[in-house]
Amino acid sequence: SQQGEEDPQALSIQEGENATMNCSYKTSINNLQWYRQNSGRGLVHLILIRSNEREKHSGRLRVTLDTSKKSSSLLITASRAADTASYFCATPSFQGAQKLVFGQGTRLTINP
Amino acid sequence: DTAVSQTPKYLVTQMGNDKSIKCEQNLGHDTMYWYKQDSKKFLKIMFSYNNKELIINETVPNRFSPKSPDKAHLNLHINSLELGDSAVYFCASSAGLGVYEQYFGPGTRLTVT
Repeated sequence: SQQGEEDPQALSIQEGENATMNCSYKTSINNLQWYRQNSGRGLVHLILIRSNEREKHSGRLRVTLDTSKKSSSLLITASRAADTASYFCATPSFQGAQKLVFGQGTRLTINP
Repeated sequence: DTAVSQTPKYLVTQMGNDKSIKCEQNLGHDTMYWYKQDSKKFLKIMFSYNNKELIINETVPNRFSPKSPDKAHLNLHINSLELGDSAVYFCASSAGLGVYEQYFGPGTRLTVT
């Protein structure tokens, strides 16, 4: 069953602008992960945020987690052409589950 | 020095054939996975092995049979291929079960004609 759902499904912005993607999930979780997939490639792990964390940073990436709303957001600041990719959130299928469930992703296009 | 590798990268075959996809990881991880990504980019787990033991076996036709000869390898054999099996198959590994990031291979694009 699908757990995380990304919004929007597609996003197109100009280089240098910020990009925000959202993820909503259904059941309680102990962690949430974000991955990036460049065209024709495998997924690459970006950030893992635990349920007791509200915000996490990694370079130009900022992830927030609101467990009361069962939602997370991924912000990419000062976007670059190389950020063009699909971005997926992944959550355990239920709290403590051993398998991750991925959403369908947000397709991000950075226009030069 | 590729972390997770898969072969072949592309596989084109006819309906009814049997094919295998191989996966190897050199990260020393205990856990390996097979995922299927359909044309709409929806990624779904198929199998997971931990220390060569099958842990996750989703609702997958029994034409799909994973085999883990050792912790570093997880192969996927598919019998009697069908048109609906066309997809990209990803192998992944992680340090363990639960709260660990996963490392993905480059994928195998399977096309059944």
